[in-house]
Amino acid sequence: DGGITQSPKYLFRKEGQNVTLSCEQNLNHDAMYWYRQDPGQGLRLIYYSQIVNDFQKGDIAEGYSVSREKKESFPLTVTSAQKNPTAFYLCASSPDRGRGQPQHFGDGTRLSIL
Amino acid sequence: RKEVEQDPGPFNVPEGATVAFNCTYSNSASQSFFWYRQDCRKEPKLLMSVYSSGNEDGRFTAQLNRASQYISLLIRDSKLSDSATYLCVVNHGGGFKTIFGAGTRLFVKA
Repeated sequence: DGGITQSPKYLFRKEGQNVTLSCEQNLNHDAMYWYRQDPGQGLRLIYYSQIVNDFQKGDIAEGYSVSREKKESFPLTVTSAQKNPTAFYLCASSPDRGRGQPQHFGDGTRLSIL
Repeated sequence: RKEVEQDPGPFNVPEGATVAFNCTYSNSASQSFFWYRQDCRKEPKLLMSVYSSGNEDGRFTAQLNRASQYISLLIRDSKLSDSATYLCVVNHGGGFKTIFGAGTRLFVKA
């Protein structure tokens, strides 16, 4: 079955540590996104990529970094500069580069501080 | 003013009831509209797209009013399994211009 796989489901970060969240899709989608969801709030865009080897900052990129070396993969690193990383992180993809088609989500990673 | 606004609820309804949610958006250039469903501690899942002429999918009906800049979702004959948070999603060109509402919580009780 085609889909988006995120790992791990749960992740704990120690102070000063960088952690990387994995996102892989086999939907052959061009565009991929990372969102952060905090309780009672809508999804906020961290980074997005519309094509391999290219990515752009979203609304809350500070303290995060990404790469897009392969079409299928869009890992997110939460750096030690992100002082409030506890949240639900969602990876999504969509087939378009500019037509506003619906996004499909992985099942998320919950990140907490130790 | 938020770009996409929803009544957070919760809406508490008995099984079999009809319930409606509204959502307003601020960008008149918005082009695509969707409703997603999100279960507790799960990822959002696409429920349906919203078309200008209105559209129906089983017990669910979505409407778009461009003049007043709102979309609606109507759920008929509510089931216990409809209990979830419903996210209003608006796009104004390109996936990175997708705005998610904070959601409306629905509880359907026996």
